[in-house]
Amino acid sequence: EAGVAQSPRYKIIEKRQSVAFWCNPISGHATLYWYQQILGQGPKLLIQFQNNGVVDDSQLPKDRFSAERLKGVDSTLKIQPAKLEDSAVYLCASTPTRGGHDEQFFGPGTRLTVL
Amino acid sequence: AQSVTQPDIHITVSEGASLELRCNYSYGATPYLFWYVQSPGQGLQLLLKYFSGDTLVQGIKGFEAEFKRSQSSFNLRKPSVHWSDAAEYFCAVVLNTGFQKLVFGTGTRLLVSP
Repeated sequence: EAGVAQSPRYKIIEKRQSVAFWCNPISGHATLYWYQQILGQGPKLLIQFQNNGVVDDSQLPKDRFSAERLKGVDSTLKIQPAKLEDSAVYLCASTPTRGGHDEQFFGPGTRLTVL
Repeated sequence: AQSVTQPDIHITVSEGASLELRCNYSYGATPYLFWYVQSPGQGLQLLLKYFSGDTLVQGIKGFEAEFKRSQSSFNLRKPSVHWSDAAEYFCAVVLNTGFQKLVFGTGTRLLVSP
């Protein structure tokens, strides 16, 4: 069974530029999560999708971050414009059901550096 | 506020020695607790989880954790550490906010010396 796929693995941009990350969850997984992991910290949930609907985006900086999961499968997270403090690893995870206490399967992440 | 605390930023253990990583939670109800491991360049992998029942939980790679309600702790243990165990370890708790959010601690980096 293929795992959670993310691309790109690394991205370097200058502040005020835009960037997009892509995630393809495990086949059949209904719930998809995007996390931000700043160096030295644990992952922080940005947004949670149940199929193609948003369940929780309370910690997503909506003035610059956006995410979509149009067909309930893969997802894109965008930052526009980027700030220095957005430098982090962006992790995507998925679970087969909606339960938060199910095991979350994580992708390898995208490391973003904002100069 | 509901939270997870990992008091040790990093720990160094000799190969073959025992390991205990500390995790304390602040949560009103019985929590759902997890330990994840993150190896360099890799995504997080679940080691074990506790929902209810037996307070000593066995996980993968020889790890175990014990839930102690009286101490609000869920410490991770391994009797004999291998060099391949060097990684970052995260304790996490599910918050029942209506859609069960997973909240992570700040992590403990394990270094294994020869």
